[in-house]
Amino acid sequence: SQTIHQWPATLVQPVGSPLSLECTVEGTSNPNLYWYRQAAGRGLQLLFYSVGIGQISSEVPQNLSASRPQDRQFILSSKKLLLSDSGFYLCAWSGLAGVEQYFGPGTRLTVT
Amino acid sequence: GDSVTQMEGPVTLSEEAFLTINCTYTATGYPSLFWYVQYPGEGLQLLLKATKADDKGSNKGFEATYRKETTSFHLEKGSVQVSDSAVYFCALRSPRGNFNKFYFGSGTKLNVKP
Repeated sequence: SQTIHQWPATLVQPVGSPLSLECTVEGTSNPNLYWYRQAAGRGLQLLFYSVGIGQISSEVPQNLSASRPQDRQFILSSKKLLLSDSGFYLCAWSGLAGVEQYFGPGTRLTVT
Repeated sequence: GDSVTQMEGPVTLSEEAFLTINCTYTATGYPSLFWYVQYPGEGLQLLLKATKADDKGSNKGFEATYRKETTSFHLEKGSVQVSDSAVYFCALRSPRGNFNKFYFGSGTKLNVKP
């Protein structure tokens, strides 16, 4: 069966510091991968998606970047965090054959 | 463009009450439709899905029917429990070549009181 992991689970970082969040998927090949951000009490905002290694598409201009160095690994990064980067970050995957999307447990980021 | 609209919350119900959370969508083609549930501090879990018109998705006592004529996918449960308290998201999948794009509603928070 497929499993999706995210780490860390929680993170507190000062403004201006770098960020690296990691997501890995097990049990599937060549998935579509996604990064979403959820502000407190709000809906989901799609940040990035990827259809393959090295292929990243950005949905909104922002302070963040994403990379996919391996088929089942998706990384969200920032060189300098802003207060507005605080939120709950969710990684998700979907298969080409299946129709649904599966989410990881999320990372709670607080920028102070 | 494609979009999902769901009723705003919070929705507060007593245990064993009937639940309806409305969801309507706008899409080209024939999207697949989903309901996800999010418990506090956790990721989203797939609750149910429907892939074509008139399909009924069901799981854990929750049901939703894909109504193409009214572009709706309302979530229902006959008797809610305190453990159903969570945020519910309606979503649609819009395939684009080798990429699946998903559109989510803004979420509806459900509070069930004992």
